[in-house]
Amino acid sequence: ETGVTQSPTHLIKTRGQQVTLRCSSQSGHNTVSWYQQALGQGPQFIFQYYREEENGRGNFPPRFSGLQFPNYSSELNVNALELDDSALYLCASSLTDRATGELFFGEGSRLTVL
Amino acid sequence: AQSVTQLGSHVSVSEGALVLLRCNYSSSVPPYLFWYVQYPNQGLQLLLKYTSAATLVKGINGFEAEFKKSETSFHLTKPSAHMSDAAEYFCAVSNQAGTALIFGKGTTLSVSS
Repeated sequence: ETGVTQSPTHLIKTRGQQVTLRCSSQSGHNTVSWYQQALGQGPQFIFQYYREEENGRGNFPPRFSGLQFPNYSSELNVNALELDDSALYLCASSLTDRATGELFFGEGSRLTVL
Repeated sequence: AQSVTQLGSHVSVSEGALVLLRCNYSSSVPPYLFWYVQYPNQGLQLLLKYTSAATLVKGINGFEAEFKKSETSFHLTKPSAHMSDAAEYFCAVSNQAGTALIFGKGTTLSVSS
């Protein structure tokens, strides 16, 4: 079975631009979560999608939005980029929408905002 | 509200020595607790988890952790460090809704020969 894959691995944007990050979930997983990991910090929960619906959201502004597709792949969109958005963005898939289950993480997309 | 505090941002040990990484949690509901490891340029990998069964939890690669409610702690240990254990370790607690993990800031483990 394939693991969680994310693209692109690295990208550079300028302040005010928009970015789309993509994630392909592990086979059979119907839940995907996105986390932001700033340098030197632990991952912070952005939101979770379960069966194509947003199922929980962390303390992030509305310019952070997402989608989950019928094949359970996912996108994270960030509008009006700010310098503080520079971080590693991690996608994690799981068999359940409960955090008690194991999250399977991708290697992340590193975003630099100049 | 749920939170996690990892004591010590950097721990250094010699190969073969005991590894002890400290984690204290705060939770308004019975917690589910996790340790994840992150190797350079990789995603996070689950080491072990506590979900209200046995208080001593065994994980992969010889790691284990003990849930101590009275101390609100979930420290990670390994009897004998190996060079390949060098990585970033994150303790996490499930949020109140049970839909996400709240991570600590991480502890970098260095292992010297």
